[in-house]
Amino acid sequence: GNSVTQMEGPVTLSEEAFLTINCTYTATGYPSLFWYVQYPGEGLQLLLKATKADDKGSNKGFEATYRKETTSFHLEKGSVQVSDSAVYFCALSPFSGGYNKLIFGAGTRLAVHP
Amino acid sequence: EAGVTQFPSHSVIEKGQTVTLRCDPISGHDNLYWYRRVMGKEIKFLLHFVKESKQDESGMPNNRFLAERTGGTYSTLKVQPAELEDSGVYFCASSPGSTADTQYFGPGTRLTVL
Repeated sequence: GNSVTQMEGPVTLSEEAFLTINCTYTATGYPSLFWYVQYPGEGLQLLLKATKADDKGSNKGFEATYRKETTSFHLEKGSVQVSDSAVYFCALSPFSGGYNKLIFGAGTRLAVHP
Repeated sequence: EAGVTQFPSHSVIEKGQTVTLRCDPISGHDNLYWYRRVMGKEIKFLLHFVKESKQDESGMPNNRFLAERTGGTYSTLKVQPAELEDSGVYFCASSPGSTADTQYFGPGTRLTVL
């Protein structure tokens, strides 16, 4: 079946530190992969996505590369800010393109301190 | 353009009572999804509408949950009677059509069953 596993939080970093949040997946076929972010008091927002192997999604300084050989989609940012404090969710959509349900990981809470 | 809206933002009810959650998708979006996050765990898919038809309701936990989408616009999710384990955050998402796999999420409804 399809599933997503991401590192447990919370992750606590100082401002300007390097961030990695690990995400691995299990899927049959060729899924699309996503990172969603939920800021305090807000809904989920799409942060970035990749729809095929070796694609790199990027947005707001965050990056993630779709690695089919390691079934991973790790989220990275070179220098985090206090405003990046949020919960980050890795997700997959079982089929590339088309409409279908998202399968999420458990979420990783990031706290960035000045 | 208005985003996905959900009402209420919070609901606190007693076990055995009925609660109805509402979701208004982005105008023109045919696809509407319901998800929920229980006890800080992963966000789980509940069901998917295409216009007014249920495309996939494989995630609905039991027959105490009833979802409708009258006229293919807004949707309601009714829980009757509510149980303690129904507590969590219920998210709604919408997407435009079959060639788009980005889902846009609402802020969620936090349901507490006492």
